[in-house]
Amino acid sequence: ELKVEQNPLFLSMQEGKNYTIYCNYSTTSDRLYWYRQDPGKSLESLFVLLSNGAVKQEGRLMASLDTKARLSTLHITAAVHDLSATYFCAYSSGTYKYIFGTGTRLKVLA
Amino acid sequence: EAQVTQNPRYLITVTGKKLTVTCSQNMNHEYMSWYRQDPGLGLRQIYYSMNVEVTDKGDVPEGYKVSRKEKRNFPLILESPSPNQTSLYFCAARRTGAGYEQYFGPGTRLTVT
Repeated sequence: ELKVEQNPLFLSMQEGKNYTIYCNYSTTSDRLYWYRQDPGKSLESLFVLLSNGAVKQEGRLMASLDTKARLSTLHITAAVHDLSATYFCAYSSGTYKYIFGTGTRLKVLA
Repeated sequence: EAQVTQNPRYLITVTGKKLTVTCSQNMNHEYMSWYRQDPGLGLRQIYYSMNVEVTDKGDVPEGYKVSRKEKRNFPLILESPSPNQTSLYFCAARRTGAGYEQYFGPGTRLTVT
């Protein structure tokens, strides 16, 4: 069964702290995606990771991919309140079928 | 501006009354897809389309139909809606080929009573 597991599901953190969200997937895939969703809004694409060892950074967010471990991470550096949102990872097969994780709801406290 | 639009944004209907949710994109992208989002389940793919007249099932296609007669439009059809299809629906579009991101529409909140 094709599965994506994210953890933690909920994360409450203080501003200025660092933390990592983990995304494990069940099949060999070298296409991994991260999305952000604000409450009541649509999804916004954050990162597309295409190969083993890929690392991408945007502001305080950095995503990486380890295809051998079937693991992607989203690292948050020095969190700020504006990063409060739900973060989803997803992978796709070569046929463009997408499997999403259940999401990590992040709350950054001032 | 790159855009994916969905209509309607909100819909309350009754069991068995056929409905269509429209999705349109202005980016000339080949790939379009429909998802449903339910609490605790993330997004689940319903159908996707690689190009005009090419559609394929996602993970949860039962009870849904799609068509892709034009590149810009990808309507989602519920022939006989049931309460378990109450959900938040998103349409998305992207270019085919590796490395391209999906652009999502604003969502359609459907309630079936």
